Amino acid sequence: DTAVSQTPKYLVTQMGNDKSIKCEQNLGHDTMYWYKQDSKKFLKIMFSYNNKELIINETVPNRFSPKSPDKAHLNLHINSLELGDSAVYFCASSPTPVGTGFFGPGTRLTVT
Amino acid sequence: AQTVTQSQPEMSVQEAETVTLSCTYDTSESDYYLFWYKQPPSRQMILVIRQEAYKQQNATENRFSVNFQKAAKSFSLKISDSQLGDAAMYFCAYKSRFGNEKLTFGTGTRLTIIP
Repeated sequence: DTAVSQTPKYLVTQMGNDKSIKCEQNLGHDTMYWYKQDSKKFLKIMFSYNNKELIINETVPNRFSPKSPDKAHLNLHINSLELGDSAVYFCASSPTPVGTGFFGPGTRLTVT
Repeated sequence: AQTVTQSQPEMSVQEAETVTLSCTYDTSESDYYLFWYKQPPSRQMILVIRQEAYKQQNATENRFSVNFQKAAKSFSLKISDSQLGDAAMYFCAYKSRFGNEKLTFGTGTRLTIIP
């Protein structure tokens, strides 16, 4: 009965690799997000989708590409991983663009 | 652009006492939402309380309450009867009611509960 789930929870990989993080929500929400939390715990929006349409794309390197195959899923693909990409990535969803955000458990990405 | 400021990087409180975490924000909008999220060591982001700017009444959730001062753009969180399980990072966040749908977070306050 998990509301927002992410896989994997931990991801360790080498520089230059390509990786994906998957997110699924079973709350029936229309809007989904990706946030990044850096080593200083600062949280910042990366992307937002509403009904599979991209509505927010903050200043993020184009190595990061979100994909929303349907309303319940928002995946994050990262190409050519760099050391600075190491962070915790949170997926979130809300019933409307201005609704309360429900967060997934986070994916800790470590690039070596 | 909206900004959220949490001026207390760390706070501590004795168990069973009351603590207040500060948050100020800057916006030119008149209608918006404010949130407090808790992040325990498990790193799960948990919604603690939410306030709608058009409501004058301060939100309350059990031991958690806010002091929302719209004119001063202040949104503090009061935790009463602090418990060991309250130990966590606390993030204040802002969300516009119209247009820009993202949560803008403060830098967080680490709360330690002293037994």
